[in-house]
Order: sequence, then C-alpha cells, then structure tokens
Amino acid sequence: DGGITQSPKYLFRKEGQNVTLSCEQNLNHDAMYWYRQDPGQGLRLIYYSQIVNDFQKGDIAEGYSVSREKKESFPLTVTSAQKNPTAFYLCASSTRRKEKNIQYFGAGTRLSVL
Amino acid sequence: GQSLEQPSEVTAVEGAIVQINCTYQTSGFYGLSWYQQHDGGAPTFLSYNALDGLEETGRFSSFLSRSDSYGYLLLQELQMKDSASYFCAVLARSNYQLIWGAGTKLIIKP
Repeated sequence: DGGITQSPKYLFRKEGQNVTLSCEQNLNHDAMYWYRQDPGQGLRLIYYSQIVNDFQKGDIAEGYSVSREKKESFPLTVTSAQKNPTAFYLCASSTRRKEKNIQYFGAGTRLSVL
Repeated sequence: GQSLEQPSEVTAVEGAIVQINCTYQTSGFYGLSWYQQHDGGAPTFLSYNALDGLEETGRFSSFLSRSDSYGYLLLQELQMKDSASYFCAVLARSNYQLIWGAGTKLIIKP
C-alpha cells in the first residue's frame, strides 16, 4: 500500500537534546512538507522540499533542520534551539506542480519535553 | 499578509445539514481546499475549488466566491463519524504552498 510513514508515534525530548523525526513516502511524490500543529490550531509550515537535495524554510523554521538526500525520505530534526517543541508534527507529500496540490499526510509524531 | 478565518466550533444534529464558513485575505491564490482531521489523526483532503461556484462530492459540497473572499463547506445528512475538525486552505501563487485556517471543530449530537 502506498502512503506516508512517520516514526516514532510518540517522542520525548530532554533539555538540550536534538531529536529526529522520520518521514518516508512510497507515493513517488516530488514534494514533501513538515508542519507543526498546536492544540486547537491550524497547521504551520516548518520546511518544505520540492525536489531532492533542495528545501525551503517555511513560516516557523527557527530551531528546526531538515535534509532531503532521497526522494522517499524527509527527516526533521528538532534542535535544542527550539525552546517550545511540544506539539504534533505532521509530514506530508504531494505531486509537484499539480494545480490542486493535494497533500497526503502521515499519522504524525507527538513530541513532548521531559 | 495572508490569513483565513473560520469559526472555532460548530454544533449540529445527526441527519441535519451544516455549513462551515471560511473567509480569507490573500493577495493571490490558485484555489481553496478543504481537509478533514479526526482527533489525533492526519488531515485528509476533501474538496478543492479553483473556480467560483459549487463543487459536489457525495454528501459534501464546497463553494467559492472570489469576489466576496469567501468559501464554505456544506455537509449533508450528518453522521456521527463526521465529528472532526475541518480546515480550509488556500494555495498561494507566491510559493505554491498551502496557507491554512485554524480549523473548525464540528460537534454532532444524536
């Protein structure tokens, strides 16, 4: 079955620690995205990538980093510089430059601070 | 700037019809999308309007009026499984990214 897999489902971060969230897709999509969702709020774009080896900052990139070495994978690292990392993180992918830009989402990773 | 406004919560009765509104301020966009998200789950695509007018997909319909900077999602024959949050989003021309509203929580009562 084609889809997007995020892991882990739950993650705990200690003070000063970097943590990496995994996102893998087998939909053969060119574009991938990372969003942050806080309780009762919409999705805010952290980073996006429209092609391998290229990515762009979204609205709230500070304290986060990404890489796109393979088409299928777009990991997100939450660095110690992100002072308020507790949130629900969603990864998505889409076919590049289709008019609708329909995005397909993974099941999410819930990150908490210990 | 670009922003979208939705009601935070709407309550309706099972079997009824409900409309979720979305007003926006944006300099330019390709179209208006709607996504559904159940509690703790992933958003899933529902509908897209590139042009003014009504798009129908089964029990769900979506409407766009660019002159009024306004759109809505209409859900008919409500079922308990429709209890979820609904997000509108515009596809910005500037960077081809979705700009999301804060979402409307739909509560359905028996």
